[in-house]
Amino acid sequence: ETGVTQTPRHLVMGMTNKKSLKCEQHLGHNAMYWYKQSAKKPLELMFVYNFKEQTENNSVPSRFSPECPNSSHLFLHLHTLQPEDSALYLCASSPSGDRVVGAFFGQGTRLTVV
Amino acid sequence: AQKITQTQPGMFVQEKEAVTLDCTYDTSDQSYGLFWYKQPSSGEMIFLIYQGSYDEQNATEGRYSLNFQKARKSANLVISASQLGDSAMYFCAMREAGGTTDSWGKLQFGAGTQVVVTP
Repeated sequence: ETGVTQTPRHLVMGMTNKKSLKCEQHLGHNAMYWYKQSAKKPLELMFVYNFKEQTENNSVPSRFSPECPNSSHLFLHLHTLQPEDSALYLCASSPSGDRVVGAFFGQGTRLTVV
Repeated sequence: AQKITQTQPGMFVQEKEAVTLDCTYDTSDQSYGLFWYKQPSSGEMIFLIYQGSYDEQNATEGRYSLNFQKARKSANLVISASQLGDSAMYFCAMREAGGTTDSWGKLQFGAGTQVVVTP
């Protein structure tokens, strides 16, 4: 059973909808991440949060809005998405100071924009 | 520019045989980390093995070993005695030294190699 849980696992939304992806970790990690995995492209880092503060935004369009209310929860709010935003969205977390394990990933939310 | 290159889009391997997955990387940092992840069809990324740039010995984890050739900037994954459950996508990833120790999950990934293990 993964230590990082993402909900929902699958989501279909229209371009005018507003939805949110949720990520939860109970591993005691202080850093959380959103990655995007599109077909035929490498995983792309979207956002990084450390101790609830956003430390990185990799030029992500504003229709993606992250929120990190505490070190255990991370959200990705979606609005007015485009069909090309259809992808697998992976949440990850990592402990501070422990380099060996890199990132712990959730199972992802498979998003389809219609 | 792509920093992690995996040149094998897909591979077939027979059960119980060994398979080598290629990975080359590009960095000007002296301190960096290299990772391999496995992604089954369920979607989850599963950590397999890690190699630090200053580690003198190649990393091993059970049936996984990492063939680290620093001068060639190569970090190939070797899976010994393949099993049917090894069928998955395999990703090579790198963590460069820039940034704080609070974001060690900030990784750059290659395009992946699809491995299919046949009976």
